[in-house]
Amino acid sequence: SAVISQKPSRDICQRGTSLTIQCQVDSQVTMMFWYRQQPGQSLTLIATANQGSEATYESGFVIDKFPISRPNLTFSTLTVSNMSPEDSSIYLCSVSLAGTYEQYFGPGTRLTVT
Amino acid sequence: QQQVKQSPQSLIVQKGGISIINCAYENTAFDYFPWYQQFPGKGPALLIAIRPDVSEKKEGRFTISFNKSAKQFSLHIMDSQPGDSATYFCAASIRGTYKYIFGTGTRLKVLA
Repeated sequence: SAVISQKPSRDICQRGTSLTIQCQVDSQVTMMFWYRQQPGQSLTLIATANQGSEATYESGFVIDKFPISRPNLTFSTLTVSNMSPEDSSIYLCSVSLAGTYEQYFGPGTRLTVT
Repeated sequence: QQQVKQSPQSLIVQKGGISIINCAYENTAFDYFPWYQQFPGKGPALLIAIRPDVSEKKEGRFTISFNKSAKQFSLHIMDSQPGDSATYFCAASIRGTYKYIFGTGTRLKVLA
């Protein structure tokens, strides 16, 4: 398995601002993913964070709104840009170890936009 | 076709009983089926997973039953305990992508 930390754990932000969420893993991993979980709902994949190249976004999510970086095999950031109250969600980072389908999730970042 | 349908939405079980959660899918390109447990304020934790070439997998009190022809799989929690009270998600991974599609979740409450 892998130990994953996220910063911040929660934040309250003003409409129109941006927040960058960090994801740190304790070992080198092949795949890193970012999910959104709206209150009381399921998880929706935002994008796959690719090391050294642009992230791969799922339908309905765009780079201008959710820019992602992954400078190395243990770290990634997700920025939520120009926030609106509809962006209030839990944002989760997950990782998959080389050659496996198992995904391990971080504790999440609870974002509230006012 | 990318959906994973999960039922029931909520479930109440007496302590010591069996909790059963069901999922169904359409896309035959799914080839890995994990179950996650999520407590409030925490990230989902991997419980158990199965591939379609296996009909059943058991780990402790947790069992996955898989019916490939029916495109259905289920989680059975034997001897359910109050500490099992959580939200459970099934998921499916598309062959070769490592990406997950999650079910809608089941909120389980085990009564003491």
